[in-house]
Amino acid sequence: GIQVEQSPPDLILQEGANSTLRCNFSDSVNNLQWFHQNPWGQLINLFYIPSGTKQNGRLSATTVATERYSLLYISSSQTTDSGVYFCAVRAGKIIFGKGTRLHILP
Amino acid sequence: SAVISQKPSRDICQRGTSLTIQCQVDSQVTMMFWYRQQPGQSLTLIATANQGSEATYESGFVIDKFPISRPNLTFSTLTVSNMSPEDSSIYLCSVLDRGNTEAFFGQGTRLTVV
Repeated sequence: GIQVEQSPPDLILQEGANSTLRCNFSDSVNNLQWFHQNPWGQLINLFYIPSGTKQNGRLSATTVATERYSLLYISSSQTTDSGVYFCAVRAGKIIFGKGTRLHILP
Repeated sequence: SAVISQKPSRDICQRGTSLTIQCQVDSQVTMMFWYRQQPGQSLTLIATANQGSEATYESGFVIDKFPISRPNLTFSTLTVSNMSPEDSSIYLCSVLDRGNTEAFFGQGTRLTVV
């Protein structure tokens, strides 16, 4: 089956810093999503991005489907950005990566 | 988008008992999905629930342990049966949008078994 790998697994940054999270997938996929899981466990939809680039405020994402990767950019990090960021692809069923745990220090 | 109401949001249960989790969607959907997230881990699909038919379970999950009901196109329940501490996890329900492209999740149920 399709493998989804996220990097880095953990990231600790000072408030105000920028970060780039990566998602590699092993085969062609129908679509790709980025989620943020907050400390209460809720999954928040960030981007549905099977290809191309999207931006939403301080967050943006780029997916290069032909090269099988996606990037999530977070600029000017805030403490509320802390949590786990998941990439998920759909090839039949949805497959999640293991996530990047982001901790923003005040 | 889809709005999903899931309850309870959390519970602490005694081993050997069962807990039923409810998931209500604000629109009719063909398929609903149930996931488990063990502590510190990613999400794993338990089963896909279709209205009017038995749920389809993923490898490693069985109906006797995780019975699912899907009485109509906006509602589903997942029961965690005969619980043990190893069942302590976050359980989430999910649906796809009208275009069957983007997935949306309920708030999750944080279950602790003691």
